[in-house]
Amino acid sequence: AQRVTQPEKLLSVFKGAPVELKCNYSYSGSPELFWYVQYSRQRLQLLLRHISRESIKGFTADLNKGETSFHLKKPFAQEEDSAMYYCALRDDKIIFGKGTRLHILP
Amino acid sequence: GAGVSQTPSNKVTEKGKYVELRCDPISGHTALYWYRQSLGQGPEFLIYFQGTGAADDSGLPNDRFFAVRPEGSVSTLKIQRTERGDSAVYLCASSLTAGAYNEQFFGPGTRLTVL
Repeated sequence: AQRVTQPEKLLSVFKGAPVELKCNYSYSGSPELFWYVQYSRQRLQLLLRHISRESIKGFTADLNKGETSFHLKKPFAQEEDSAMYYCALRDDKIIFGKGTRLHILP
Repeated sequence: GAGVSQTPSNKVTEKGKYVELRCDPISGHTALYWYRQSLGQGPEFLIYFQGTGAADDSGLPNDRFFAVRPEGSVSTLKIQRTERGDSAVYLCASSLTAGAYNEQFFGPGTRLTVL
């Protein structure tokens, strides 16, 4: 069965500290993996996708097929990073994880 | 240009009533998706349209839920005999066409509360 697991509901990190949001997936085949972000009072938006291998707002995510993981990382947290983060995989529809709330402490 | 819009933004209804939720996709987008987000959960897929036809309705929880997109643009999600468990934020998204490589753009959602 296709599934996305985000083990942490809440992650609190001090400003300037490294951030790692964990994501594991279950999928038969080659997955398309994404991270979505929802800032307070804003709509859900795409943050990055694994196929692009890009860094957005300082965030990166590497697909590890051996560990079936797609963790989101940022070396130095900023206060504006506080938001809900959803890991997702996609064929046509998107399958989302339950989300992790990232709280950056001043 | 305008993004995906959804109306109403909030809907409060009583158990057993019928509700309709509307989604206006980005102009020119042929694929349209409905998701439901319950409290503390990620969005869950309900149904998606490619053009006028429902390409995948496997996420609809039961036959009280139905969605249409008669002209391949605006879509309406219809819920009959609402139950308290239907309370959630209903999200709509659209993309240029279906397929994993086309970004889905999300609307602001409709918060449905069933009393």
